[in-house]
Amino acid sequence: EAQVTQNPRYLITVTGKKLTVTCSQNMNHEYMSWYRQDPGLGLRQIYYSMNVEVTDKGDVPEGYKVSRKEKRNFPLILESPSPNQTSLYFCASSLDRSTTGELFFGEGSRLTVL
Amino acid sequence: AQSVSQHNHHVILSEAASLELGCNYSYGGTVNLFWYVQYPGQHLQLLLKYFSGDPLVKGIKGFEAEFIKSKFSFNLRKPSVQWSDTAEYFCAVTITGGGNKLTFGTGTQLKVEL
Repeated sequence: EAQVTQNPRYLITVTGKKLTVTCSQNMNHEYMSWYRQDPGLGLRQIYYSMNVEVTDKGDVPEGYKVSRKEKRNFPLILESPSPNQTSLYFCASSLDRSTTGELFFGEGSRLTVL
Repeated sequence: AQSVSQHNHHVILSEAASLELGCNYSYGGTVNLFWYVQYPGQHLQLLLKYFSGDPLVKGIKGFEAEFIKSKFSFNLRKPSVQWSDTAEYFCAVTITGGGNKLTFGTGTQLKVEL
């Protein structure tokens, strides 16, 4: 089954404790992206990757890091989480750079930073 | 940079009523337009898309959208809603040749009452 898998789905952590949200897709997609969803603000792009070893900032990259060492994986790293990073995070992928509007989304990861 | 406006933040309808959700984008060039749906507790799914050609686009579950270039609009419609259409709906746009970044609107929460 084609899917984008995120882990963990739910996480409560404390300020400053480094965490990683993993994302993996099994569709051989080149393009991957991270979004955060906040009430009244819709989805905002954090980082994206056009292909392996190619990443770039989205609209709200501050406080986040990503890496793309393998085509299927695109982890989101919060080096020192803060309460304003409490949000619902979605990983998404698409076939390639020409189809970035046709995204397959993961189930979401709800993060709470105390 | 492109932006997307969804002016209806919350819509409440009775079953069998007709639906129209507004979406306006700001960009003068060639765009690709999308509607995504997020059912309660689930991830986003692509509802329909417009790239070119017939400005009236039909999607899944009886939804359709009309691209009106002169009005920079891409409104979503459904003749008769069902309780199961209760969800949040997001309009999104990419600019052809503009890095293909997908920009979302802030979403419209639709509640369909029995």
